[in-house]
Amino acid sequence: DARVTQTPRHKVTEMGQEVTMRCQPILGHNTVFWYRQTMMQGLELLAYFRNRAPLDDSGMPKDRFSAEMPDATLATLKIQPSEPRDSAVYFCASSDNLNTEAFFGQGTRLTVV
Amino acid sequence: AQSVSQHNHHVILSEAASLELGCNYSYGGTVNLFWYVQYPGQHLQLLLKYFSGDPLVKGIKGFEAEFIKSKFSFNLRKPSVQWSDTAEYFCAVNGGGSGTYKYIFGTGTRLKVLA
Repeated sequence: DARVTQTPRHKVTEMGQEVTMRCQPILGHNTVFWYRQTMMQGLELLAYFRNRAPLDDSGMPKDRFSAEMPDATLATLKIQPSEPRDSAVYFCASSDNLNTEAFFGQGTRLTVV
Repeated sequence: AQSVSQHNHHVILSEAASLELGCNYSYGGTVNLFWYVQYPGQHLQLLLKYFSGDPLVKGIKGFEAEFIKSKFSFNLRKPSVQWSDTAEYFCAVNGGGSGTYKYIFGTGTRLKVLA
């Protein structure tokens, strides 16, 4: 059963600490998305990659957030330093073609205290 | 700019009632349209999708949606809801013909079905 895998599922950290979230897209999928979900803002697109190249990261605060795809099987989203307002659920999704749906991971619930 | 509007933020229905959730999009070109469902504490799952062809699309669990191009709408319907349909529903769009890969989501509609 192909699925997008995200780790960790839950993360509690103190303000100022670095947070790294990881995503393994479905094998063969070449487009990877990072979304952030909060009650106030809903689902926000932070960044996305196609064939490991960043296509759009305009939704991401550049001063503290960074997203990379070291290889085709791993995407990372890093926050340094973290702040309480970063508390949210971060979803990774992948797709293999323009005309298919995006498949979502289970999410990482981040709490910054 | 591309956008998706979902006008109903919260909907409460009794079991067996009919459901219609509105979705309008703003997109300059060919679009692909999607409805996703998120059950409490879970990830988003696809309910149905429209790429081309018959504008009336049937999805899982008895849901359907109709694409009306002239109204830029893709409303979700279900004739008779069940308690298990309690969830949040998201409409999404991406640019099918324009090479724009990103999926833009609406703000979601929280549906509560009373038993």
